Amino acid sequence: NAGVMQNPRHLVRRRGQEARLRCSPMKGHSHVYWYRQLPEEGLKFMVYLQKENIIDESGMPKERFSAEFPKEGPSILRIQQVVRGDSAAYFCASSPGGLRYEAFFGQGTRLTVV
Amino acid sequence: GQQLNQSPQSMFIQEGEDVSMNCTSSSIFNTWLWYKQDPGEGPVLLIALYKAGELTSNGRLTAQFGITRKDSFLNISASIPSDVGIYFCAPGSGNTGKLIFGQGTTLQVKP
Repeated sequence: NAGVMQNPRHLVRRRGQEARLRCSPMKGHSHVYWYRQLPEEGLKFMVYLQKENIIDESGMPKERFSAEFPKEGPSILRIQQVVRGDSAAYFCASSPGGLRYEAFFGQGTRLTVV
Repeated sequence: GQQLNQSPQSMFIQEGEDVSMNCTSSSIFNTWLWYKQDPGEGPVLLIALYKAGELTSNGRLTAQFGITRKDSFLNISASIPSDVGIYFCAPGSGNTGKLIFGQGTTLQVKP
C-alpha cells in the first residue's frame, strides 16, 4: 500500500519540548497539506507545501510552528515549545496537483502534551 | 472568512434506511469533496464533484454539486452498520487545492 504515511502515530511531549511530525506523500504526489483536528471538530487547514516551497501557510500559527518539504525525504511539521493547547490530531494529505483537488490523507499523528 | 454549515450534526438511523446530509456556504467554490472518517483514522475520500449541477454516484453514495456552487448534498441509500462514522464536506476554491472542512455529520446505524 503506497498511501500517505505519517509517523509517529502517537506522540507524547512535555510542555516546552519540541514535536516533530513526519509525512511521506503518496508516490507521484508532489503536493503536501497539513491539517489539525481538535476533538469533536472538523479539520483545519494549516499549510500547503510543494517540494522545497511553502505555497500557503495562512493556517499556521505565527509562532512556534514551522513546516518543510525538502527535496529529499518526508515533509516535517515542527512545533517548538509545545503547550497543552497543541494537543490534537495532525493529518497530512497529498495530491498530484494540477486541477484535481482530491487529497489523500494519512492516518494522522495524535499529539498529547502533558 | 468563508462560512460553511454542515447539517445535520448527527443522525441515528435504522439499518436499511436512506440518509441525507448537506453543506451550505456563503461563498462560491470550484469543487466539493465528501470524506468519511472512522475513529482514530484519517479521512477517506468518498466522492469528488467539479461541475455545478453535477450528480455523481459511488455505490450506495450519491452526491450533487449545487447549481449556485454554494452547496452540496450527500445521500446514502440502504444504510448498513459499516456506514457508521463522521462524514465531512470539504469544498475547495482557488488554485491551491486547500480544502475547508465542514463540522461533520456523525452517523450511527442501528442493526
